[in-house]
Amino acid sequence: GDSVTQMEGPVTLSEEAFLTINCTYTATGYPSLFWYVQYPGEGLQLLLKATKADDKGSNKGFEATYRKETTSFHLEKGSVQVSDSAVYFCALAKSGSARQLTFGSGTQLTVLP
Amino acid sequence: GAGVSQSPSNKVTEKGKDVELRCDPISGHTALYWYRQSLGQGLEFLIYFQGNSAPDKSGLPSDRFSAERTGGSVSTLTIQRTQQEDSAVYLCASSPDRGKGYEQYFGPGTRLTVT
Repeated sequence: GDSVTQMEGPVTLSEEAFLTINCTYTATGYPSLFWYVQYPGEGLQLLLKATKADDKGSNKGFEATYRKETTSFHLEKGSVQVSDSAVYFCALAKSGSARQLTFGSGTQLTVLP
Repeated sequence: GAGVSQSPSNKVTEKGKDVELRCDPISGHTALYWYRQSLGQGLEFLIYFQGNSAPDKSGLPSDRFSAERTGGSVSTLTIQRTQQEDSAVYLCASSPDRGKGYEQYFGPGTRLTVT
């Protein structure tokens, strides 16, 4: 079945450091890929998405590129802030009648001032 | 506008009791999803409603779990004879028509604790 594997956490960085959170997937066909973020005490929010190969999703300084050849969708940010501290989830949705999300295990990011 | 709301925010129940969890989706969203977030299993899909079609129940973990959606809007997830392994955060999400966009908007969740 479909699955998403993402980098184990927790990840601790200093403010202004470069961030990469790795995500790879297994799925048949051409899924859409997402990064969701869960800030402390809040619900899941969509951070960015990409719907086809070579698409780049971006938002709030975060970027991820849909790489079909490596089945990856790594999340990057050039300079993290304390306010980026949260849990990040990589997810996929297959095309079809039900577009339920399959999530990775989540990566806890803590950014220190 | 108003987002997805869920109630109650927290629920503590004794093993063997039934519980009902409620979800109010964003107005006009035709698709509604239930997920479960637990320490051992991460985020898991439970059930999906799309308009008036029969729901996709493929993620429900046992026949103790059921859900309904009345009038294409509010949904209730019912867990009968709760077990300790049912303890988790239950998340609801809604989405506009899947043909036009499938971004899912999540509610804050209901934290269920079975003692």
